[in-house]
Amino acid sequence: NAGVTQTPKFQVLKTGQSMTLQCAQDMNHNSMYWYRQDPGMGLRLIYYSASEGTTDKGEVPNGYNVSRLNKREFSLRLESAAPSQTSVYFCASSYTKSNTEAFFGQGTRLTVV
Amino acid sequence: KNEVEQSPQNLTAQEGEFITINCSYSVGISALHWLQQHPGGGIVSLFMLSSGKKKHGRLIATINIQEKHSSLHITASHPRDSAVYICAVGQGGSEKLVFGKGTKLTVNP
Repeated sequence: NAGVTQTPKFQVLKTGQSMTLQCAQDMNHNSMYWYRQDPGMGLRLIYYSASEGTTDKGEVPNGYNVSRLNKREFSLRLESAAPSQTSVYFCASSYTKSNTEAFFGQGTRLTVV
Repeated sequence: KNEVEQSPQNLTAQEGEFITINCSYSVGISALHWLQQHPGGGIVSLFMLSSGKKKHGRLIATINIQEKHSSLHITASHPRDSAVYICAVGQGGSEKLVFGKGTKLTVNP
């Protein structure tokens, strides 16, 4: 009964370092999403994947890359971290489009110093 | 102007009070979602609705499509209801959700 599993929970990076946030879901969902959450702002979409093998940019894609490795897994990569990428990141999935229930991971709190 | 507006931004209540959180949106939607984010950070889906009303325990969500407005009600509020409540809308045929900024609810004993 895992749902959406996201790792790591916490990470501190130095400016310029790279890292990959991992996300996996076990609900056979087609759609997966990466969001960032910043104080005073709503969740903002970074990238999404409507199905295995497809990815699309969201509202704030700059500085990020994604991979939909298979139907279960959707990773987010920061190639060269910047302080502006300090945020809380959430992975989410849903069976299909935005009119189906969304399930969220526990979040990753990332600090870039 | 944000496509999804929530009010109030912050709400403090005494245990037992009836709570209402409002959400207005400016776009055509296929569904509206109410989410709950606890202080620990995790986000859970409370409701997804496209018309009428839904009820889970002490929580009730309503939507008026013509007025582009939804409300989340909590009856007999309890300190464990303290959380941020987030409204999000899915636009017809889209993969994407658009989120409000959230309403922070604090229920005091």
